[in-house]
Amino acid sequence: QQQVKQSPQSLIVQKGGISIINCAYENTAFDYFPWYQQFPGKGPALLIAIRPDVSEKKEGRFTISFNKSAKQFSLHIMDSQPGDSATYFCAASMPDRGSTLGRLYFGRGTQLTVWP
Amino acid sequence: KAGVTQTPRYLIKTRGQQVTLSCSPISGHRSVSWYQQTPGQGLQFLFEYFSETQRNKGNFPGRFSGRQFSNSRSEMNVSTLELGDSALYLCASSLTGYPGNTIYFGEGSWLTVV
Repeated sequence: QQQVKQSPQSLIVQKGGISIINCAYENTAFDYFPWYQQFPGKGPALLIAIRPDVSEKKEGRFTISFNKSAKQFSLHIMDSQPGDSATYFCAASMPDRGSTLGRLYFGRGTQLTVWP
Repeated sequence: KAGVTQTPRYLIKTRGQQVTLSCSPISGHRSVSWYQQTPGQGLQFLFEYFSETQRNKGNFPGRFSGRQFSNSRSEMNVSTLELGDSALYLCASSLTGYPGNTIYFGEGSWLTVV
């Protein structure tokens, strides 16, 4: 089953607007939540990551908001630019439980289009 | 610092054939993992290697196998190819694979099975 659920599947935002992508998880063992950005023909690249001991992390125009009680986290892209048009994946990993080390559980991805 | 390098980038195979994909991790990284990416299933974990040992494996049939060499380079093999194996195969490396170690992806190998 999908361990990390991501929405929306696609998102269209005007240049300068705010893009918001949401993810939810069930397994409380997850303790590391990265976001990846993928351009066509390229592999995913780490954008920003957070641990559940903080509620928000900001790096430039990108912010992760984390709600531990709701088991949800989201990516906010401020002042969205056409160059941000890409597919965004949320992911989660957990400490070693015998068969989970080194593994990322990915959401299904959000295709973001930023119109100029 | 060179990134994760995957070869070949593109390949076309026929059903029933086998294929071997290669991955060179970032220098110093000892954990290598493989993912399959398809439009229908998204990014799915195949397996992860550390110090030449497979530490865990995703939910794929035995036709999918891999190995890691002493220099941390890794290969994955798919035998008896099926049409559904057409996908982007991504290799990723990290220092140890432990949570919090950034996982870096290569650009992938595009496999088309006809």
